[in-house]
Amino acid sequence: NAGVTQTPKFRILKIGQSMTLQCTQDMNHNYMYWYRQDPGMGLKLIYYSVGAGITDKGEVPNGYNVSRSTTEDFPLRLELAAPSQTSVYFCASSYPYLRRQGAYEQYFGPGTRLTVT
Amino acid sequence: AQKVTQAQTEISVVEKEDVTLDCVYETRDTTYYLFWYKQPPSGELVFLIRRNSFDEQNEISGRYSWNFQKSTSSFNFTITASQVVDSAVYFCALSEGYTGANSKLTFGKGITLSVRP
Repeated sequence: NAGVTQTPKFRILKIGQSMTLQCTQDMNHNYMYWYRQDPGMGLKLIYYSVGAGITDKGEVPNGYNVSRSTTEDFPLRLELAAPSQTSVYFCASSYPYLRRQGAYEQYFGPGTRLTVT
Repeated sequence: AQKVTQAQTEISVVEKEDVTLDCVYETRDTTYYLFWYKQPPSGELVFLIRRNSFDEQNEISGRYSWNFQKSTSSFNFTITASQVVDSAVYFCALSEGYTGANSKLTFGKGITLSVRP
């Protein structure tokens, strides 16, 4: 298993450009997440999905969009990039929460370092 | 709303010293899950432990141990006989896990641990 893979690893965008961060997992996890990590601020949830066709906003969704057409893929779209979106982006996946088993740990991809100038 | 506080921002120790990383959490739910993740200088996030709110037993795994105390809402992490390879940022995280949608994680800001030879 490759686990969670993210592309690209690094990207520099100009203000106003758009791009899609790709995320794929091969563990057949239902749940997938996008986080951003800013220096000294921990990770903040952008969007998450509990299954194909279902997405919902996290703590910091503004400026981003997601879609989940398959179990494996969960791309994150940035429209009209702004300097405030300079960050490291992590995709994660996990097994679904089940009342008996509880919440499972999340498996993270290697991250995408994005700079907007 | 759930919250995780890691009051220590940076800790520096000499190899072989013991070190404790503090984590204090807030939640209104009786069912929740606590996690620790390690982020080494290479940047990936590595899962260390999951603990549910019904299990207050301390856990030991090699040089790592965790102390969960519901009375003080704390889930502290101790590294015994620290090594240079322990140098990393350590995150504590909370999932309320009451429903599937609430399985998303809230992270603390992280503690940067430096272990000097």
